[in-house]
Amino acid sequence: NVMLTQPRAVSESPGKTVTISCTRSSGNIGSDYVQWFQQRPASSPTTVIYDDKRRPSGVPDRFSGSIDTSSNSASLTISGLRADDEADYYCQYYDRTSRIVIFGGGTRLTVL
Amino acid sequence: EIQLVESGGDLVHPGRSLRLSCSTSGFTFDDYAFHWVRQAPGKGLEWVSGISWDSGFIIYADSVKGRFTVSRDNDKSSLYLQMNSLRPEDTALYYCVKDLRSRVAATFDWWGQGTLVTVSS
Repeated sequence: NVMLTQPRAVSESPGKTVTISCTRSSGNIGSDYVQWFQQRPASSPTTVIYDDKRRPSGVPDRFSGSIDTSSNSASLTISGLRADDEADYYCQYYDRTSRIVIFGGGTRLTVL
Repeated sequence: EIQLVESGGDLVHPGRSLRLSCSTSGFTFDDYAFHWVRQAPGKGLEWVSGISWDSGFIIYADSVKGRFTVSRDNDKSSLYLQMNSLRPEDTALYYCVKDLRSRVAATFDWWGQGTLVTVSS
């Protein structure tokens, strides 16, 4: 099965910008939309990016998504980091050929 | 306000069955596909199953195929997960998740609070 690989953890200071990568093990990253979810401690996940780069209403434009076909990866970038951005972040996509939904392993963001 | 409320989680012995429910409100239920996603204690997210708006397209993760059955009742705005032959590795918080689309696109846009299933002897 195709896997999505994320760094286990990243950290950055308040006000700075951080980028979390999500690398697809095989197949073209651009062939299926990627979603990103934020999960704060003891809370349900919430969607911060869908369809590679679209933001749900209510999600600030500090959050942005992108796709890089050269590295076969998706990225979530958070600018102007705030303490409440500290959370686990997961990427995900739906493999329409295999008819399964894949999550990345998650990245813990620490805002120092 | 959109609400997804899961129920039915419990402590059960291996090999037993359990049925989870997800009651919804605040939107037109039969306009959207739905999914179940689980999270084992201290672990990441794992997709379990998805169902289209009309129940015409249903998919499962390999780990639950043949043991779990997803269904929905559009008249009751509710989603269900029948779990049979439960195993210790099924222990997790089970989330009901709304899709942004009527077909199974796995574009999750709203998550419930989850219901805890514990499988242990």
